[in-house]
Amino acid sequence: QVQLVESGGGVVQPGRSLRLSCAASGFTFSSYGMHWVRQAPGKGLEWVAVIWYDVSNKYYADSVKGRFTISRDNSKKTLYLQMNSLRAEDTAVYYCARDLLPSAGTRGYYYGMDLWGQGTAVTVSS
Amino acid sequence: DIVMTQSPLSLPVTPGEPASISCRSSQSLLHSNGYTYLAWYLQRPGQSPQLLIYLASNRASGVPDRFSGSGSGTDFTLKINRVEAEDVGLYFCMQALQTPLTFGPGTKVDFK
Repeated sequence: QVQLVESGGGVVQPGRSLRLSCAASGFTFSSYGMHWVRQAPGKGLEWVAVIWYDVSNKYYADSVKGRFTISRDNSKKTLYLQMNSLRAEDTAVYYCARDLLPSAGTRGYYYGMDLWGQGTAVTVSS
Repeated sequence: DIVMTQSPLSLPVTPGEPASISCRSSQSLLHSNGYTYLAWYLQRPGQSPQLLIYLASNRASGVPDRFSGSGSGTDFTLKINRVEAEDVGLYFCMQALQTPLTFGPGTKVDFK
């Protein structure tokens, strides 16, 4: 069925790295822009990053720019988030999400995320 | 960055009664193509967010027609015409016009 499944979360010390994965199934993954969105405990939603369907562009929130890298392997239908130099404030549930329409972002705008994974929890603590 | 605000932040509701949430953006979300890039989400307790509305007033697939979105420019409203038990949760608006995409702080809807 149509779904996204995240993995790779866990407990990590400040300054260390972690890589999250998001496996897609049931749809043409290579046609859609993909996002990472996070939610700190008891807090609201924070957009983290987006990658276009064809990998040609990536954009980041200022809070993670230079530390996180979004990537995708369309042949494996998998989205990634490489997180380096982790900080306590990066503690959150991380969701991968699909943009509503194919090729979203290519004209600068998006539509919203219509398919979300179940989330994977990242805790940054010594 | 575009700043999103919502009101109220907490909304006690009565089943069967209407409910309304407001969202405001610090810049117009109207693109030169005529579309307005505002989305609404519901996050039920313990679940992932669910897209309710996109382009300010379009219901996402499978969303009941008791949900409606309206507004233009910088002021938007999500209405539930008769609240049901499954509507309890956190509601977020989000601007999708430009990166960084930004969410409102959320409105917690629960029963009185």
